[in-house]
Amino acid sequence: NAGVTQTPKFQVLKTGQSMTLQCAQDMNHNSMYWYRQDPGMGLRLIYYSASEGTTDKGEVPNGYNVSRLNKREFSLRLESAAPSQTSVYFCASTLSGGFNEQFFGPGTRLTVL
Amino acid sequence: GENVEQHPSTLSVQEGDSAVIKCTYSDSASNYFPWYKQELGKRPQLIIDIRSNVGEKKDQRIAVTLNKTAKHFSLHITETQPEDSAVYFCAASNDYKLSFGAGTTVTVRA
Repeated sequence: NAGVTQTPKFQVLKTGQSMTLQCAQDMNHNSMYWYRQDPGMGLRLIYYSASEGTTDKGEVPNGYNVSRLNKREFSLRLESAAPSQTSVYFCASTLSGGFNEQFFGPGTRLTVL
Repeated sequence: GENVEQHPSTLSVQEGDSAVIKCTYSDSASNYFPWYKQELGKRPQLIIDIRSNVGEKKDQRIAVTLNKTAKHFSLHITETQPEDSAVYFCAASNDYKLSFGAGTTVTVRA
């Protein structure tokens, strides 16, 4: 039981490049989330998927897109990376909704030059 | 949307003393309040949570209190130990989303 996994662990991009962050969970969870973590700002929600087949914007969605590929996988895409997107990105999942423990992945440290 | 404020941003305590972190929230419909601990370079992990129908919850050295009328909740850590040094986040939820506070960096001095 691996829990929540993310790839890659580290990534350096140049401004304007694109990339996709991958997330998968093996806990049969329905809801999945993408957060970014910046110093002094806590965890801010980018997008979430309440259940397979649905996605919704969070607090800071601009510059990102997501795909809920199936129940296990939820990817985050940066179409044209900007230095302001330099951050640590965490994926999380929960059984259902916002009233249960969220399990986080190990994070992806992204630097945009 | 929900706005969660967390204080203090940093907290230094002597080993064995207590630590208290306070959070306020804005949405009166919020009814789930978890606390997460994040060690340096690691992922956040749930340490305790409380729901709106409960005023206090305790798990060994940690406890959380909730005042729905005042819209604030607090984390209490007693008999602090070096392994309690970490960043602690409070959060609030009333639907599918959690809104997090900015975090409190706790340092336990030996």
